Amino acid sequence: EAGVAQSPRYKIIEKRQSVAFWCNPISGHATLYWYQQILGQGPKLLIQFQNNGVVDDSQLPKDRFSAERLKGVDSTLKIQPAKLEDSAVYLCASSPSRADGYTFGSGTRLTVV
Amino acid sequence: GNSVTQMEGPVTLSEEAFLTINCTYTATGYPSLFWYVQYPGEGLQLLLKATKADDKGSNKGFEATYRKETTSFHLEKGSVQVSDSAVYFCALLGGYQKVTFGTGTKLQVIP
Repeated sequence: EAGVAQSPRYKIIEKRQSVAFWCNPISGHATLYWYQQILGQGPKLLIQFQNNGVVDDSQLPKDRFSAERLKGVDSTLKIQPAKLEDSAVYLCASSPSRADGYTFGSGTRLTVV
Repeated sequence: GNSVTQMEGPVTLSEEAFLTINCTYTATGYPSLFWYVQYPGEGLQLLLKATKADDKGSNKGFEATYRKETTSFHLEKGSVQVSDSAVYFCALLGGYQKVTFGTGTKLQVIP
């Protein structure tokens, strides 16, 4: 089966600019996650969707980050305006509704300068 | 809330040495447990999993046993190779499909 697709793979922007990332999960996977992974750290959950509804966005910096999952399929994560500390890899993952673990995309490496 | 604690790295081993990376967890209910691996410059890949107590997950020579009595899921491999050099993450899947990751343990295998 096709994996989780993410784009772009790399992005360099200046602080205060905006940026958007895209994720297409595995077909049929109801749950979609966005994680932020800062260099040398474990992934930190930003937001979790179940179909097109938000299950958990408690760690999403809502003053600058937003995410949507229209039609319960693909998803976009936006940062506006970006800060230097947003430099990280943004990982998308999806899972079916059962406890099978989930599949990660390759991630988008964001550098804010 | 749920939490996962991993041994701090980096762990440096010689090729063919025995590997143990400790992982313990705190959770309510009956979580599923996972090990993910992240090779340099790549995304996370599922290495193995166990969904109930006493299950043993295994893949590519790695093993981990779900021990409910000690709330542990230690990762082991009998003979590591240079190609096993990566960061290993222990993770827990609890209620509402919420996943909690450990902080990761970097493994470096030298020839």
